[in-house]
Amino acid sequence: GQSLEQPSEVTAVEGAIVQINCTYQTSGFYGLSWYQQHDGGAPTFLSYNALDGLEETGRFSSFLSRSDSYGYLLLQELQMKDSASYFCAVREVSWSSASKIIFGSGTRLSIRP
Amino acid sequence: GAGVSQSPSNKVTEKGKDVELRCDPISGHTALYWYRQSLGQGLEFLIYFQGNSAPDKSGLPSDRFSAERTGGSVSTLTIQRTQQEDSAVYLCATNRRVDTEAFFGQGTRLTVV
Repeated sequence: GQSLEQPSEVTAVEGAIVQINCTYQTSGFYGLSWYQQHDGGAPTFLSYNALDGLEETGRFSSFLSRSDSYGYLLLQELQMKDSASYFCAVREVSWSSASKIIFGSGTRLSIRP
Repeated sequence: GAGVSQSPSNKVTEKGKDVELRCDPISGHTALYWYRQSLGQGLEFLIYFQGNSAPDKSGLPSDRFSAERTGGSVSTLTIQRTQQEDSAVYLCATNRRVDTEAFFGQGTRLTVV
């Protein structure tokens, strides 16, 4: 089956660093993505990892280990506006070469002053 | 268009009525996805289109749900004989087949009373 596991909630302090983990189990794999969703808004793309290692984009970094079926999103210098839900997602490759995107259940990040 | 457009933004319907939800993708985006999101929950995959065909419709919850796409563009998600448990936000996302990023519309908030 296909599944992605991530913590349901994480709380952190403004200015600190937080890591949101994601483990996945899929029948095919084409990369791990992260999306951010503020309350009442649509998910927006943050990052994508196709190969092992760390990708850095400003205050956000994303890591992938394909051998461990594991990745994480690292948020540094947390700001109050980073309070949102964060979803990991995998793009699968199936026998038909079609590729759908499957999302995890999301991690709600709450930031305290 | 500049972004993914969904209509209506809000829909209140009586139990037992049929509803149609519309998604206008970004021009040139051949892949189109429908997701359902209940309050505070993750993104539940419903159906995936590549062009006008649907290689994966495994997420449709019941035969009351159907979707079509015409001209490789606009998609309509139809829910027949709506039930209260159908109340949720229905999100549409699109991308070019080889892209890694999916672009989401603002969603249709469906309330069945």
